[in-house]
Amino acid sequence: GAGVSQTPSNKVTEKGKYVELRCDPISGHTALYWYRQSLGQGPEFLIYFQGTGAADDSGLPNDRFFAVRPEGSVSTLKIQRTERGDSAVYLCASSYSGRGDEQFFGPGTRLTVL
Amino acid sequence: QKEVEQNSGPLSVPEGAIASLNCTYSDRGSQSFFWYRQYSGKSPELIMSIYSNGDKEDGRFTAQLNKASQYVSLLIRDSQPSDSATYLCAVKGNTGKLIFGQGTTLQVKP
Repeated sequence: GAGVSQTPSNKVTEKGKYVELRCDPISGHTALYWYRQSLGQGPEFLIYFQGTGAADDSGLPNDRFFAVRPEGSVSTLKIQRTERGDSAVYLCASSYSGRGDEQFFGPGTRLTVL
Repeated sequence: QKEVEQNSGPLSVPEGAIASLNCTYSDRGSQSFFWYRQYSGKSPELIMSIYSNGDKEDGRFTAQLNKASQYVSLLIRDSQPSDSATYLCAVKGNTGKLIFGQGTTLQVKP
């Protein structure tokens, strides 16, 4: 079946602009995760949804970052007033349920803030 | 102290050899452990999961877990040039999130 999909694959924006990154999880997966990865580092957790609700948003770096999953499937990560330090690859993953399950990653969105 | 630690490498092994990748973690409450492979410019791909002490084998890959020592490893037998990648160790506690190490770069030389 289809894996996790993310759009766009690349996004270039200017400092101060607003961006939205989209994730479509594997069909039937109730848990969805956002991570970001900087060069040479492992992915860093941002937020985790179980169904429609954010079960853990402890990784969001500040209030410029926000994510939603209104119908329990597709999720959107929103970044306001982008800064150059936000440049990274944003990865989405999904799992069948939550706590013990294996997470499968999408291809990522490379965000570049000029 | 980082929560999940890996030697960044590179670890270089000849083709056909056994590659041994190691990872330590700090949270004794961690319950699930994963190894991901990441090729340059690609996203992480799950290759092994392990939940209890001991060994778990899948093809050429063996994951080993020792919770008392807070140590997890990945062995790759008969290493191939196509195994050259960064290997990420990830640990999950009693919440959903994964904590990743920085990854170990493996180079398999023909």
